[in-house]
Order: sequence, then structure tokens, then C-alpha cells
Amino acid sequence: QAVVTQEPSLAVSPGGTVTLTCGSSTGAVTSGHWTYWFQQRPGQAPRTLIYDTSSRHSWAPARFSGSLLGGKAALTLSGAQPEDEADYYCCLYYSGGRVVFGGGTKLTVL
Amino acid sequence: QVQLQESGPGLVKPSGTLSLTCTASAGSISTSQWCSWVRQPPGKGLEWIGQISQRGTTSYNPSLTSRVTISVDKSKNQFSLTLTSVTAADTAVYYCSSHPGYWGQGSLVTVSS
Repeated sequence: QAVVTQEPSLAVSPGGTVTLTCGSSTGAVTSGHWTYWFQQRPGQAPRTLIYDTSSRHSWAPARFSGSLLGGKAALTLSGAQPEDEADYYCCLYYSGGRVVFGGGTKLTVL
Repeated sequence: QVQLQESGPGLVKPSGTLSLTCTASAGSISTSQWCSWVRQPPGKGLEWIGQISQRGTTSYNPSLTSRVTISVDKSKNQFSLTLTSVTAADTAVYYCSSHPGYWGQGSLVTVSS
């Protein structure tokens, strides 16, 4: 089964920009992987920020954007806010309808 | 927008069967391209369990495929998860989700005698 990799932890200053990535052990991530990005705060359910690589969900702040970058999927946060401190997960779709989650990135805003 | 709510027993005995239902409100699951189940063991990351497509096609995590069944009842706007032969390793918060990214609040299921 494919392995999806994310940075275990990242830090960003308030107002700063950070990019989280999501890679696949099978090769380059493409639009065909329909990448999703989720935010999860402690004690809460995940919340979808981005679906289908770059479509922002209706409730996701405009400072979050999704893209493909250097063979990986990327989530860029521009203008970080204290409330953005959370765990972020990506998931990729593979042939046969199977889904694999990354291990998550713990984002600290300080 | 679709709102999802999981329901089912919070405690299951080892070797027993875990059964959860996800009920959609303020929207119809019939219009979702897929409905899925995801779980999260305490203190760990998210794990995809499986999904059912709008056409009724199912796909499952290879590590669980021998024990899991996902089904849908469109008349009730619900979809369900059944996981057999559970062990303590199946203790987790179970979430239901539907395209394009709606989530339930989660249901903690503990496997213990």
C-alpha cells in the first residue's frame, strides 16, 4: 500500500507564510490524486479546508490555498493567525478508489 | 450544506461486532459522490476505513477489508459501518464523511470486556 508523507511539525510566525507538503511513495502527486487537506484542532473533528487539490471549502479562510508543487501536493498558509495552530492532514486517492492519509503535520504559530 | 451525525454503541466486547450509522441532515447523501468512514485511535492520526460511491461501489482499506462492510440506505439518508472480530486495537473515534468534505462530530468506540 502507498505511503503518504507529511512534515511531522512546522512552525510559523504570526502573519507569516508556511507551506505544508504531501508526498506519495508511488511517485509524483498529480491532480488525479484529488488531494484533500484537513485541519484538526485538539478535541475536535477534522475540518476540510481543500478538496480536489485546490478547491477551497466554503468555510475555509482565504489565507489557505492548495496546489501541486515539485511533485507533491501543497497547502500554503499566507498570513498565519494564532487560531491556525492545529494538526493538518492530507489524503490522496489511488486507483481502485482507495484512500491513504498522511501522518499529519503539527503546525505551531509562534 | 450537509450535516452528518454518527450513532451507535460506545462500548463493544472483544471479538464482537462494531456497528455505526451516519445520518445526514440539511442535505442528501444521494448527491454525494462518496460517503466514507475514517477512524482515529487515541493520540494518533487519521486512518481511512473505506467508502461507498454514489453508484454503490465499495472500496476498503486493505488492512481491514476482511472485517469491514459499508452500506447505504438512501431512503433514510444514512450509511453504515460494520466491523467484525474487533480487538482493543479498534478502539478509536470513528468519523463519517461525505464528498466534498463534510464530517460528523465523531463517535468514540471502546473495545473492552
